[in-house]
Amino acid sequence: GAVVSQHPSRVICKSGTSVKIECRSLDFQATTMFWYRQFPKQSLMLMATSNEGSKATYEQGVEKDKFLINHASLTLSTLTVTSAHPEDSSFYICSAHPPNTVLDEQFFGPGTRLTVL
Amino acid sequence: SQKIEQNSEALNIQEGKTATLTCNYTNYSPAYLQWYRQDPGRGPVFLLLIRENEKEKRKERLKVTFDTTLKQSLFHITASQPADSATYLCALLIYNQGGKLIFGQGTELSVKP
Repeated sequence: GAVVSQHPSRVICKSGTSVKIECRSLDFQATTMFWYRQFPKQSLMLMATSNEGSKATYEQGVEKDKFLINHASLTLSTLTVTSAHPEDSSFYICSAHPPNTVLDEQFFGPGTRLTVL
Repeated sequence: SQKIEQNSEALNIQEGKTATLTCNYTNYSPAYLQWYRQDPGRGPVFLLLIRENEKEKRKERLKVTFDTTLKQSLFHITASQPADSATYLCALLIYNQGGKLIFGQGTELSVKP
């Protein structure tokens, strides 16, 4: 199946700093990628839809100025958590699907564990 | 708004038995419902997809049913094994929104040898 990678897998940062997380589709092109956040023992919550060549679409309650998304190419989307605070500590996961398979399975990255001190 | 619920209590069963997990949804008639497996500290892995006009889908030891009248999907693992221990997530695919998924909170399954 298709492979989605994320980098880094873990990151620890100080409060107030910014952190960038990369999501790559390794063997297919993705015009759309999704970013989720998951707190311990909770479900995946969709944060935003990343669209190649255009602005991301954010879910209600997600601050677009805090969570910057850039879909620079058909294989790369980045999520930047700006001025991170301890409450932003979470597990961030991206997903994508190959072209013309929007109604089929999505392929998820392995996730990035963010810890803000 | 769309809401999807799974039994939040962990399910503990003996090896060899059938595990049955429940997924209920409200306020929306989805076109597709998907089931994923998630291991600790990992991203979800796709298992099965069932469409609105399908009542049952099978894949090896897995079976999914879909009752649009009850707004419920059941996920079965037959002849369960300790390696099946994980959290299982159901998700609604939001039609015409580019593949957007809404997830349930997941049910943790533990299969004891």
